[in-house]
Amino acid sequence: EVQLVESGGGLVQPGGSLRLSCAASGFTFSGSWMHWVRQTPGKGLEWVATMKEESERYYVDSVRGRFTISRDNAKNSLYLQMDSLRAEDTAVYYCATEAGLSWGQGALVTVSS
Amino acid sequence: DVVMTQSPLSLPVTLGQPASISCRSSQSLVYSDGNTYLSWFQQRPGQSPRRLLYKISNRDSGVPDRFSGSASGTDFTLKISRVEAEDVGFYYCMQHTHWPHTFGQGTELEIK
Repeated sequence: EVQLVESGGGLVQPGGSLRLSCAASGFTFSGSWMHWVRQTPGKGLEWVATMKEESERYYVDSVRGRFTISRDNAKNSLYLQMDSLRAEDTAVYYCATEAGLSWGQGALVTVSS
Repeated sequence: DVVMTQSPLSLPVTLGQPASISCRSSQSLVYSDGNTYLSWFQQRPGQSPRRLLYKISNRDSGVPDRFSGSASGTDFTLKISRVEAEDVGFYYCMQHTHWPHTFGQGTELEIK
């Protein structure tokens, strides 16, 4: 059974940083596309970033240059380093497998002073 | 960016009746390999999204056959043949043919 468990969410001040982690199990993590998707309170879904290999990383324009997606295949883990956070980054962040087949439970990130 | 426009945004349905949700893309979603990467997701209250259909009409494992998908050009449709109480929630289309991947605004299905 595929399991994705996000961690690292919390409250951070504007301009601050946070690192999300996603522990994956139940499938072959190495070589698979992995995604971060966020959902703002009461609103819809927004794709944030995707990674397959080191050379294949993609970001939505609103986070490019501030967020960095990375992975550790030895640890079956996906990460999202979020810097220069803004109020509009407040959301539940999900990690998801290729093409959105499986999703984690989400991690809430709140950016507020 | 590809804009995905869903309609309606709110869908009250009587139990046992059919339901239909439309999703229109601002450009073709046909990829160079000939596939159309359009998926449908269900999000029940308090839960994470769950994929129902991929590549327009392929049902994921465990998805009831009352859910079906179709397409005509850049218009995509999710149909539920007979709505059940467990179908309440939000439905989203998503394209992953082009970067950035984009979602529709979501359609809230409720029971009348």
